[in-house]
Amino acid sequence: NAGVTQTPKFQVLKTGQSMTLQCAQDMNHNSMYWYRQDPGMGLRLIYYSASEGTTDKGEVPNGYNVSRLNKREFSLRLESAAPSQTSVYFCASSLYDRNTEAFFGQGTRLTVV
Amino acid sequence: SQQGEEDPQALSIQEGENATMNCSYKTSINNLQWYRQNSGRGLVHLILIRSNEREKHSGRLRVTLDTSKKSSSLLITASRAADTASYFCATDIRETSGSRLTFGEGTQLTVNP
Repeated sequence: NAGVTQTPKFQVLKTGQSMTLQCAQDMNHNSMYWYRQDPGMGLRLIYYSASEGTTDKGEVPNGYNVSRLNKREFSLRLESAAPSQTSVYFCASSLYDRNTEAFFGQGTRLTVV
Repeated sequence: SQQGEEDPQALSIQEGENATMNCSYKTSINNLQWYRQNSGRGLVHLILIRSNEREKHSGRLRVTLDTSKKSSSLLITASRAADTASYFCATDIRETSGSRLTFGEGTQLTVNP
C-alpha cells in the first residue's frame, strides 16, 4: 500500500541549479497536486492537474514547471533554484475532482543555498 | 492570500479537555475538509463536510459548517496527548478546469498529559 510516493526526501541545491521532484500514486487517482509548506504559512498550492493531460497554476507557480507524465506520475521542476524556494514540498492526489479526500506524500525537504 | 484562516493559531489544553478550532473562508465551496499533520510528516485526512451538510461526526471529532457565515469548526472531545499535532482546514473550490484544495495556515494543538 504505497499510496503517494515522493522522491527525494531531502535535497540541497546551490542557487541556479535545477532539479525535478518526482511524485507517483498507485491509487488510480485522477487529480494530483503540488504544495509547498513554509513555517507559519500553511500549505500553498503551486500547480495541480485535475486529470491526465491537464495542468493548471495554483497560488504560487512562479519559478516552477510541472509535467503530468501519465495518470500515476506528476513531477515538479525547478529550472533555476533560488533561496526563496527553500521549503517542504508535498505532493497529493485525489480520486475525483470534488468531494473526495486528498492523500499526501511524506514530503521533500529542499534547501537552496 | 489564503482561502482558509484558522483560529486560534495555537491551542494548549490538558488531556481530557475538549479542543475547538475554527476556520473561516472567503468563496463558495464544494466541501470543507480537515487534515492533521504530525511534526515532520505529511497531512492525513480527518473528515470532509459537504456544502449542503451542517454537522458531521467521526469518532471523537465533530465538524460543523455554516455556509452563510463561511465558517467551520472542528471539535475534538476528550483529547489525548497523541492528538498533539497541527490541524488544517482545506476548502474544495470548483473552477472551470476542475476543483482544487486550498489550505489555511493551521492550528497547532498541544495536549498536555
